[in-house]
Amino acid sequence: QKEVEQDPGPLSVPEGAIVSLNCTYSNSAFQYFMWYRQYSRKGPELLMYTYSSGNKEDGRFTAQVDKSSKYISLFIRDSQPSDSATYLCAMSSYNTDKLIFGTGTRLQVFP
Amino acid sequence: DTGVSQDPRHKITKRGQNVTFRCDPISEHNRLYWYRQTLGQGPEFLTYFQNEAQLEKSRLLSDRFSAERPKGSFSTLEIQRTEQGDSAMYLCASSPQTSGRENEQFFGPGTRLTVL
Repeated sequence: QKEVEQDPGPLSVPEGAIVSLNCTYSNSAFQYFMWYRQYSRKGPELLMYTYSSGNKEDGRFTAQVDKSSKYISLFIRDSQPSDSATYLCAMSSYNTDKLIFGTGTRLQVFP
Repeated sequence: DTGVSQDPRHKITKRGQNVTFRCDPISEHNRLYWYRQTLGQGPEFLTYFQNEAQLEKSRLLSDRFSAERPKGSFSTLEIQRTEQGDSAMYLCASSPQTSGRENEQFFGPGTRLTVL
């Protein structure tokens, strides 16, 4: 079993929809949680960073962390075609700097 | 802009050849990371530096791979005697050593390696 599980999709939604992306993890030592967006053949772009349970909002994006369930989510409101990309969750523990990534979920927002 | 830069962006080589990639981190970021990403997978950690010290290496980093960060600025990743299985995107990231923002890593555009 992988340390971080993420549904690869693809997830296809109409423009304006609310998108929910999720990851589960098995390592209770994970303390830092990130979401990255990656366009085809580009490097990952950091979207959200959090280190506590609860919600964090930034514009149309909301990151949610539930450490008791080992479950994190990213919500995208009013989705746009430009949001079409692969979304990667990543996490790390307090005693190492390496990030453990999910496989990524491919999102397609159609007009 | 002062984002992470990588060079070259693409590299095609024949099996058995050596290749070297360069990464320039964001100015004043003292931590630098190397990851490898294959198609349909998330990035996998290879190694990381704090200043010039290499602090952690993955088991993925076989003896054909070597990374350096002289003077704590740019870093190079060398692959000797390349194999077709080395074909991947090699990503570099950097992060500041700022309390409360540990592990907030910013990635470069990557170097895509194809081994024929």
